[in-house]
Amino acid sequence: QKEVEQDPGPLSVPEGAIVSLNCTYSNSAFQYFMWYRQYSRKGPELLMYTYSSGNKEDGRFTAQVDKSSKYISLFIRDSQPSDSATYLCAMSASSASKIIFGSGTRLSIRP
Amino acid sequence: GAVVSQHPSRVICKSGTSVKIECRSLDFQATTMFWYRQFPKKSLMLMATSNEGSKATYEQGVEKDKFLINHASLTLSTLTVTSAHPEDSSFYICSAQGPTYEQYFGPGTRLTVT
Repeated sequence: QKEVEQDPGPLSVPEGAIVSLNCTYSNSAFQYFMWYRQYSRKGPELLMYTYSSGNKEDGRFTAQVDKSSKYISLFIRDSQPSDSATYLCAMSASSASKIIFGSGTRLSIRP
Repeated sequence: GAVVSQHPSRVICKSGTSVKIECRSLDFQATTMFWYRQFPKKSLMLMATSNEGSKATYEQGVEKDKFLINHASLTLSTLTVTSAHPEDSSFYICSAQGPTYEQYFGPGTRLTVT
């Protein structure tokens, strides 16, 4: 079993829809959770960085962490074609630990 | 803020030659930088952790003599692919660890070995 599982997609939704992206993990030691966005042939861009359980909101993006279920989510409201990219979840056990990445979900927003 | 650059963005080299890739944190100091490799439609594979002023820590299966890493300053780490072969062709991405331990990624370097 992989430490971090993420549905590769592709996920296609119409513009304006709410997008839900998810990851599950097996290592209960993970405390730090991140979401990255990666456009084709570019480096990943950090979108959200959270510690432990709870919600964090930044503009149209909301990250949720449920440590009891070992499940994290990223919600994108009012999705735009420019949101079309691969979204990678990532997590680590401590602030200085190696980050483990999910395989990424390819998201396409249809105009 | 938190900008990381990589140079070159693309490089084509002949088999048997060496290639150096630079990673710079432009607006912050990074005592720790990371080097990743990414295959098409695959996630990031950590190759090594680079610490300023000390030897890099390589992940299992990564040849340290083939992938030489130097972290000579708080803003610069380099990866040298020695005696490159076609199977080394890949997308190489570096990241720099920020002040609250988050990682900021460079734009990546596409290496093609012919």
